[in-house]
Amino acid sequence: QQQVKQSPQSLIVQKGGISIINCAYENTAFDYFPWYQQFPGKGPALLIAIRPDVSEKKEGRFTISFNKSAKQFSLHIMDSQPGDSATYFCAASGKGGSEKLVFGKGMKLTVNP
Amino acid sequence: ETGVTQSPTHLIKTRGQQVTLRCSSQSGHNTVSWYQQALGQGPQFIFQYYREEENGRGNFPPRFSGLQFPNYSSELNVNALELDDSALYLCASSPQGTGYNEQFFGPGTRLTVL
Repeated sequence: QQQVKQSPQSLIVQKGGISIINCAYENTAFDYFPWYQQFPGKGPALLIAIRPDVSEKKEGRFTISFNKSAKQFSLHIMDSQPGDSATYFCAASGKGGSEKLVFGKGMKLTVNP
Repeated sequence: ETGVTQSPTHLIKTRGQQVTLRCSSQSGHNTVSWYQQALGQGPQFIFQYYREEENGRGNFPPRFSGLQFPNYSSELNVNALELDDSALYLCASSPQGTGYNEQFFGPGTRLTVL
């Protein structure tokens, strides 16, 4: 059972374009939604995260949009750069207990110069 | 501030052997979680340690076990290695009790089982 579904699996954009990655979740107990960026041979790095009490959060070129009723959230990368080429993972976790992160399968982004 | 570190970087074992992976948490973090990341997949939660006790476990068999030490560093032990255990093993630390659950990952240990 995949609790967090991510799409698309891969994306190619031109430099300066907008990259959009979508995620959908099933568990309504989730209350923390981070995005991670991973380069080959490296561990995931926390990019930006959101809680369900807000619908949007922006940090630099990265914006998370959150739709609680649809149980969906997305990452927008504005002015995409070749250095943004990496694999992006959405994740979710719930309250209490171990607060384990449940990850999507990832999306490989390629930004062409 | 030192980030999460893991050792070794790479490891090659044969089926049936045992392996121990090590993790040092980020300064000020008292919680360590371990994840397994198969090639082309997202990380899968193995278990978490808080104050030297297991604090939640994912869908992994008992041959996956762990420890947390008083300095919050941690070990992941895997017995009776199987071919499917080949993966990147990630350790993440977080400051329990903040309510934010920000988890910061180390670079991982690449385990190959032959």
